[in-house]
Amino acid sequence: KNEVEQSPQNLTAQEGEFITINCSYSVGISALHWLQQHPGGGIVSLFMLSSGKKKHGRLIATINIQEKHSSLHITASHPRDSAVYICAVTGAGSYQLTFGKGTKLSVIP
Amino acid sequence: DTGVSQDPRHKITKRGQNVTFRCDPISEHNRLYWYRQTLGQGPEFLTYFQNEAQLEKSRLLSDRFSAERPKGSFSTLEIQRTEQGDSAMYLCAATVPGREKLFFGSGTQLSVL
Repeated sequence: KNEVEQSPQNLTAQEGEFITINCSYSVGISALHWLQQHPGGGIVSLFMLSSGKKKHGRLIATINIQEKHSSLHITASHPRDSAVYICAVTGAGSYQLTFGKGTKLSVIP
Repeated sequence: DTGVSQDPRHKITKRGQNVTFRCDPISEHNRLYWYRQTLGQGPEFLTYFQNEAQLEKSRLLSDRFSAERPKGSFSTLEIQRTEQGDSAMYLCAATVPGREKLFFGSGTQLSVL
């Protein structure tokens, strides 16, 4: 069973700061997802990665397959980025997603 | 709008009752997942459908839980003889092969009293 660990669990940042959220997993995967969940809201998919790096607006996601590690970066953070960010992986040969517990981000004006 | 609708949004039931939830993806979403999320935790995988075939089911799912996807369109998740430990948010997600993103519904919040 894949174990997915995220760090930090909670993060408070000042508006404009560069933010990094980390995700490590224990077993080989076919894909890794970064998801965003707002309080009381649904889950939105941000990225799906199997290698390398992806960028969308102020969000950048990277993955290192050999080290079984991924990072989500937010540049020029804004209060509207405040949410829970969840890392999830699809194990090789499986359909199921294994989720991390999430990182709660609060961006203060 | 993710294109995935779940009904109801909230369900309050008494212990021992049966409940059924529904998930409606868009027609192109041939892959459909059910997850369960409790407060402060990440979602847990429950089951996966490709079209109408249930291809994977979590060992977490007791025999009180059953899911169907007739005709490969909408899906239902039924919990029989509900227990207080079943209280959680039940999430449905769907995707299309080759598309990168998962599309999540807003979830059904179940409270078992």
